[in-house]
Amino acid sequence: DAKTTQPNSMESNEEEPVHLPCNHSTISGTDYIHWYRQLPSQGPEYVIHGLTSNVNNRMASLAIAEDRKSSTLILHRATLRDAAVYYCILRDFMNYGGSQGNLIFGKGTKLSVKP
Amino acid sequence: DAGITQSPRYKITETGRQVTLMCHQTWSHSYMFWYRQDLGHGLRLIYYSAAADITDKGEVPDGYVVSRSKTENFPLTLESATRSQTSVYFCASSDLQGAVDEKLFFGSGTQLSVL
Repeated sequence: DAKTTQPNSMESNEEEPVHLPCNHSTISGTDYIHWYRQLPSQGPEYVIHGLTSNVNNRMASLAIAEDRKSSTLILHRATLRDAAVYYCILRDFMNYGGSQGNLIFGKGTKLSVKP
Repeated sequence: DAGITQSPRYKITETGRQVTLMCHQTWSHSYMFWYRQDLGHGLRLIYYSAAADITDKGEVPDGYVVSRSKTENFPLTLESATRSQTSVYFCASSDLQGAVDEKLFFGSGTQLSVL
């Protein structure tokens, strides 16, 4: 089962860095870690993904623990527009999706950003 | 603009009626997905399609029917709507399902109320 554990909610101040944690202790050696976010009243949008090395893009950074059992999404300077639900996702090969599996969204972490 | 569009944006119907939610994408992505989102459950996969005329069940398929006669369209039909199907429905597409840099692209959602 592709399981991740995230805090239900977090708060941040505007223009400060935010570290969103995710535990995935049952991750397999070939599982990529995906992050999506969902702004209010919108569909989810892709943020970042990675396998072993830390990853950076224009939206965020992804820090992956050496044992790969946890990861952290880093928003370097939170803005009010970053207030959203953030999903940490692994591919589920067990229940459906055939040999390629499917990305299964959990409940995510609701990030609030204070001005 | 190219993208993925869902219609209608809002729909109110009565128990027992048939309802069809539309999803159209202009990227020619091979994979398309339907999710529902309810408070306390996150996003749950209803059905997905790997290509035209190929569909398969997700986590919560009961009460829903899908078809994919053309690559760009993936309608979701509730044959006899029930109150428990009141939800927000999201369609998504991907052209690299299972690949290293797969990204899901989501529509804006359809908010369905069954009275």
